[in-house]
Amino acid sequence: DAGITQSPRHKVTETGTPVTLRCHQTENHRYMYWYRQDPGHGLRLIHYSYGVKDTDKGEVSDGYSVSRSKTEDFLLTLESATSSQTSVYFCAINHRASYEQYFGPGTRLTVT
Amino acid sequence: DQQVKQNSPSLSVQEGRISILNCDYTNSMFDYFLWYKKYPAEGPTFLISISSIKDKNEDGRFTVFLNKSAKHLSLHIVPSQPGDSAVYFCAVLNSNSGYALNFGKGTSLLVTP
Repeated sequence: DAGITQSPRHKVTETGTPVTLRCHQTENHRYMYWYRQDPGHGLRLIHYSYGVKDTDKGEVSDGYSVSRSKTEDFLLTLESATSSQTSVYFCAINHRASYEQYFGPGTRLTVT
Repeated sequence: DQQVKQNSPSLSVQEGRISILNCDYTNSMFDYFLWYKKYPAEGPTFLISISSIKDKNEDGRFTVFLNKSAKHLSLHIVPSQPGDSAVYFCAVLNSNSGYALNFGKGTSLLVTP
């Protein structure tokens, strides 16, 4: 257990509303990641963080922003949700001693 | 353009037999490869990995083989068990994106009794 939690686990929201997803870790890992999983696409990187206030874009970052004000929390924000952002969102951390990543349980987001 | 390809969306194997899941990659500079297993409504879980300095890595019933010249890796599960039924993702380490992972689209494995 890598000590990763995500909240909320499920959310339904309307187009145009802001949404923030939270990832929380308990093991002081430096690197954290947000991925989305869609049918036919596997997992794709949205944003990542390599330390407090240090973040960078991934493959599918348009429409998303992130913040990391504390080591343990990595927030993903959809400023104005669109139906194309309906997806399952996974947070991950990079294991300290190797390149393996450990994933949270996911957040299923539906934008209507 | 997809850098990691899993060309078989699904695979069905009988319990006790070998399951072979395949993965191809496009960039010969990739040097670390991983397999993840995912059950519905759960996050992916790490299964096994291999560095480019090796051609084989084994962990219990799971073995990963790497063929660098062909840019191909495979995951062997022997013997397959019904609990192995899940989606398997191949991933490569992306050193240019904070050690993020580039994933294939996944192969859904069904192990039948």
